[in-house]
Amino acid sequence: LAKTTQPISMDSYEGQEVNITCSHNNIATNDYITWYQQFPSQGPRFIIQGYKTKVTNEVASLFIPADRKSSTLSLPRVSLSDTAVYYCLVAKGTGGFKTIFGAGTRLFVKA
Amino acid sequence: DGGITQSPKYLFRKEGQNVTLSCEQNLNHDAMYWYRQDPGQGLRLIYYSQIVNDFQKGDIAEGYSVSREKKESFPLTVTSAQKNPTAFYLCASTLTGDRLLAKNIQYFGAGTRLSVL
Repeated sequence: LAKTTQPISMDSYEGQEVNITCSHNNIATNDYITWYQQFPSQGPRFIIQGYKTKVTNEVASLFIPADRKSSTLSLPRVSLSDTAVYYCLVAKGTGGFKTIFGAGTRLFVKA
Repeated sequence: DGGITQSPKYLFRKEGQNVTLSCEQNLNHDAMYWYRQDPGQGLRLIYYSQIVNDFQKGDIAEGYSVSREKKESFPLTVTSAQKNPTAFYLCASTLTGDRLLAKNIQYFGAGTRLSVL
């Protein structure tokens, strides 16, 4: 299983772009990189997923370099409601296998 | 309306008591998971099941038991052997298989908060 390393916490201000980087040096060929967001007392929810290069959806972008040993979640123009914990998860794409969530990154967005 | 339902939302356990947390999904997902989350910490895997009548231990299975008799249901029992059960418990499910556009995305329930009386 690929172990992930993320910053423990980050601070930002409303309207700024936030980039959270995750290291996963022992990622396997059939692993996908998935990011989740969790608010207090709620279950995590899916944000974005990628395998390589860049992926963009309506809420975020995910940048993955060619060696896939890291990934960066980019949140454009954050608001106070983006204050949450963000988890980077590296796991097999087939599902149903053991997964490891790290400690996540606590993002604080200030006014 | 498809999703994962966990019940109850809050649960209290007395000393020496076993309690069961319910997790039901109508997403037609094959795999299901149970996680434990302590205050300010990440999620730790308790048990997971890839298919009906089969389940595997996660990293912190001691003091817990599960069953998977139906595809839709994956109940977790916190036994009296679990000496520190106070935590937030999360259930998740996902599709399995190679030919998926969305690879192994886990969908979570709203959680059950367990406390000891």
